[in-house]
Amino acid sequence: DQQVKQNSPSLSVQEGRISILNCDYTNSMFDYFLWYKKYPAEGPTFLISISSIKDKNEDGRFTVFLNKSAKHLSLHIVPSQPGDSAVYFCAARNSGGSNYKLTFGKGTLLTVNP
Amino acid sequence: DTGVSQDPRHKITKRGQNVTFRCDPISEHNRLYWYRQTLGQGPEFLTYFQNEAQLEKSRLLSNRFSAERPKGSFSTLEIQRTEQGDSAMYLCASSLKGQGSNEQFFGPGTRLTVL
Repeated sequence: DQQVKQNSPSLSVQEGRISILNCDYTNSMFDYFLWYKKYPAEGPTFLISISSIKDKNEDGRFTVFLNKSAKHLSLHIVPSQPGDSAVYFCAARNSGGSNYKLTFGKGTLLTVNP
Repeated sequence: DTGVSQDPRHKITKRGQNVTFRCDPISEHNRLYWYRQTLGQGPEFLTYFQNEAQLEKSRLLSNRFSAERPKGSFSTLEIQRTEQGDSAMYLCASSLKGQGSNEQFFGPGTRLTVL
């Protein structure tokens, strides 16, 4: 069963506009969420994270919003740049577990058009 | 470069052969993870080490797979009698136990192709 779901396989936006990537989760034990960016032939690169005690975390052009009641989070990129074109993975973790393993969604391919 | 490194980056092998991959984590990181990623999927957890102790293995890790981290530094992942279904990207990640250690840092991966 897919505990972390990214229902949009792809997203295309114009340079300068906002990109919104969505993620839903089903496991109520998840309490820490991360976004990773992945370019072809490279490993995932950490982007931004949020703890379940917060509903928003901002880092430059990137903001992550968490709605615990809806088990939903989103990543906002403003303004979008062509270099942001990559696959974005949402990941979640149960901090009460013993190993801190991450559970990933399938990813969303973001294309930012010049 | 002080990031996570993996070797080799690519491996092509014939079905039935054994392969071994190496991961060198960030030097002060005591937690090390192996993940596997297939086409169209996100990374899936395989196994986890804290220092030299292997603390968890996923059910994805069949008995043909073995991982070690003998001195709590680098790690190896061996696949015996490879099958075509083993073709995937094998990712290693590391993190630091303690406060502020929530992020896992990934290496570039080893892409395995089993013919």
